[in-house]
Order: sequence, then C-alpha cells, then structure tokens
Amino acid sequence: NAGVTQTPKFRVLKTGQSMTLLCAQDMNHEYMYWYRQDPGMGLRLIHYSVGEGTTAKGEVPDGYNVSRLKKQNFLLGLESAAPSQTSVYFCASRDRVVYEQYFGPGTRLTVT
Amino acid sequence: AQRVTQPEKLLSVFKGAPVELKCNYSYSGSPELFWYVQYSRQRLQLLLRHISRESIKGFTADLNKGETSFHLKKPFAQEEDSAMYYCALSAPNAGNNRKLIWGLGTSLAVNP
Repeated sequence: NAGVTQTPKFRVLKTGQSMTLLCAQDMNHEYMYWYRQDPGMGLRLIHYSVGEGTTAKGEVPDGYNVSRLKKQNFLLGLESAAPSQTSVYFCASRDRVVYEQYFGPGTRLTVT
Repeated sequence: AQRVTQPEKLLSVFKGAPVELKCNYSYSGSPELFWYVQYSRQRLQLLLRHISRESIKGFTADLNKGETSFHLKKPFAQEEDSAMYYCALSAPNAGNNRKLIWGLGTSLAVNP
C-alpha cells in the first residue's frame, strides 16, 4: 500500500497563477482532509470531505476550492494564488470508524 | 470553547534526561486525545491515543480529566526523539462528524 500520496512535492507559483494539488489514498478511506502548516500556527484545516461527492469548509477555506469526484482522490485548487498561501500543505485520510488520520508527505508551495 | 494548548513551542533536553511535553485541553464532553509526531521533513504520524493506553517508542501519555491534561512523557530521551509533537482533540463537528482540534505543536530537541 502506498498509503496517502501527494503531488507535486514542491511548487513555485507567481501571484495570480492557479494550480491543483492532488491527494490520493489507497486505503478505501471515507474521510479526507486538506491542512496547511505554517510556522507558529500549527495545522489548520482548509477543507474536508466525508465521502465521495461531498466537501465541506474547514477553518481557513478562503482562496481554496476542493473536489472529491472519486473516493480515492481529493483535489485542492488555488484559483488565484497569493503570497499568503505560501505554506506546506498536507492531505490526510481516515476511515469511518477508527479515528486515526493518515497523512501524506506534504507539498511545499511558494507564491512569489 | 474547544481548545488544545501546548504551552511550550520549543523544549530542549539532553540525551538520557526525562522529557515531558505538556498538553492541556478545553472540552465539555468526554475527550478523545491523540499525540502525533512529525520527524524532520517527514509526514505526521500517530504516536499515541489515550484510549489504547499503550507505550510507543518509550512514550506514554495519561489523560488527567481533573487537570484537563494529556502530557506526553518519556523517562530517557534519545536523539532520535527530536521532532515536532502535536497534541490533538477529537470533537464533534457538523452532521454527526468529528474533527481534530490541534495544538500548535512543541518542537523537541534532544542534545547529545
């Protein structure tokens, strides 16, 4: 099992550009999450999904959109990147019963 | 309000010394608490959950409801324990779901 994978690992964007981060899990998990990790601010939840075709806002959703068209994939989109979105982005998943979140390796995004 | 507090941003100890990473929570219900660890440039992974009452890599954590604490302890720190440690609380979310409320993390440095 690959677990949770994220692509890309690194990306540099210019202000105003758009991009999509892909998260994939092969554990048949129902729930998936997108977090951002910033120094001194810990982990903050951006959006999450409780199943295929569903998405919901987390703590800091502004400037991001998500889609969960397939159970195994959870996409995070930035339509118009801003320097404030420079961060490390982590995807996580878990199953319905056991409350352990499995994390991906992270995507380091820099917006200049 | 539901909250997780990790009062120390950075904790530095010498190899072989005891270590305690503090976690306090604010929650009116019956808490479900976790410790996650992130080694340098690696993904977050679950270290302990209070329900299982286990010891992982020599670490233990006891839930103290009276003091609303879930401190992580290890009697003899090792250099490989150097990492970022996050305490997290599982709390109800909209639609019968649950969410993790994260502390800001404590960076543990174990010096030789």
